[in-house]
Amino acid sequence: QKEVEQNSGPLSVPEGAIASLNCTYSDRGSQSFFWYRQYSGKSPELIMFIYSNGDKEDGRFTAQLNKASQYVSLLIRDSQPSDSATYLCAVALSGGSYIPTFGRGTSLIVHP
Amino acid sequence: DTGVSQDPRHKITKRGQNVTFRCDPISEHNRLYWYRQTLGQGPEFLTYFQNEAQLEKSRLLSDRFSAERPKGSFSTLEIQRTEQGDSAMYLCASSLRLESYNEQFFGPGTRLTVL
Repeated sequence: QKEVEQNSGPLSVPEGAIASLNCTYSDRGSQSFFWYRQYSGKSPELIMFIYSNGDKEDGRFTAQLNKASQYVSLLIRDSQPSDSATYLCAVALSGGSYIPTFGRGTSLIVHP
Repeated sequence: DTGVSQDPRHKITKRGQNVTFRCDPISEHNRLYWYRQTLGQGPEFLTYFQNEAQLEKSRLLSDRFSAERPKGSFSTLEIQRTEQGDSAMYLCASSLRLESYNEQFFGPGTRLTVL
């Protein structure tokens, strides 16, 4: 069983819409949750991290964490074509080493 | 530029050859990580160092893979007797180890092609 699951997509949304990206994880002891953006041919770039249940907002991005249901999501408001990329969910499993395990990523396409 | 750098950016080699990649982390970062990423997959953790100590190496893909960070600064990843299945992007990341926070900054990667 994969430790971090993401729908590979692509998720296609019109410009200006809200894009919703989801991720589930298997280890209930997971402590840290990250969202990375990766443009084609580029390396991952951290855009959000969250540790506590609830919502965390940063500009157009909102990360949502529900530890009881073992899912974390990323909302992108007012989506722009420049948001088109693969979004990687990463989870740092229990054990204190804080080494993140990555999902396979969800491809997001924002069309004008 | 004070980000993570990797060299070379691209490497083409023949099966059976040895290759070595270099990573220079952000200068004040004490943790350095190596990942492999294949098409359509997320980065796969290989190994990491805290300063010069290699704290986790059990997830290196085989005994053909080895990594060093001799002075706690730059690191090298070596693959011996390369195979076509080793073709991938090799990513390095660094972070500043804090009690409850571990933001990793990735380098541009080294793309390996094994013919």
